[in-house]
Amino acid sequence: DAGVIQSPRHEVTEMGQEVTLRCKPISGHNSLFWYRQTMMRGLELLIYFNNNVPIDDSGMPEDRFSAKMPNASFSTLKIQPSEPRDSAVYFCASRPYNEQFFGPGTRLTVL
Amino acid sequence: DQQVKQNSPSLSVQEGRISILNCDYTNSMFDYFLWYKKYPAEGPTFLISISSIKDKNEDGRFTVFLNKSAKHLSLHIVPSQPGDSAVYFCAASHSGNTPLVFGKGTRLSVIA
Repeated sequence: DAGVIQSPRHEVTEMGQEVTLRCKPISGHNSLFWYRQTMMRGLELLIYFNNNVPIDDSGMPEDRFSAKMPNASFSTLKIQPSEPRDSAVYFCASRPYNEQFFGPGTRLTVL
Repeated sequence: DQQVKQNSPSLSVQEGRISILNCDYTNSMFDYFLWYKKYPAEGPTFLISISSIKDKNEDGRFTVFLNKSAKHLSLHIVPSQPGDSAVYFCAASHSGNTPLVFGKGTRLSVIA
């Protein structure tokens, strides 16, 4: 099993640009989560899906952030327009039950 | 409002000694607790968990203790090894179907 796959692993962009982060969950896992890790706030939950349906997006910081899960094997997190304060590591995780399995993360730098 | 707190940002331990990482929570609805380990440039990986019906769970060198009345759990690593150096996150959930809530992590350094 390849585990949770995220792309790209690193993204450097300029303020105002659109950024799209991608995630492929582990096959058979029915829940998918997007987290953001920063020094100040640790691991914050942004949004999660059950069976491809968004359940709670209260952690999404602003309307500039949006997430989709068009099918069970793919999800995107989009930031438009990006700002320097969005710089962080973004993790995707999936799970069948209690334990969540994390991807390697995308390190985003907004200049 | 932080529901899961790890009050020690870092901990340094000699190789071979015991490492004790602490975690406190505020939400009494939490009934499942996990510890994750994270190396640089990797995602967190599951280490050990405990259900609220237990007060101890052991897996090799790793033991998690849960004190429900104090809303406190701890992770013991004995003996500590240099490869244990990582950031450790405490996490909690309730009903098994809600997202995990994470603490900010504790960076453990095991010195040879």
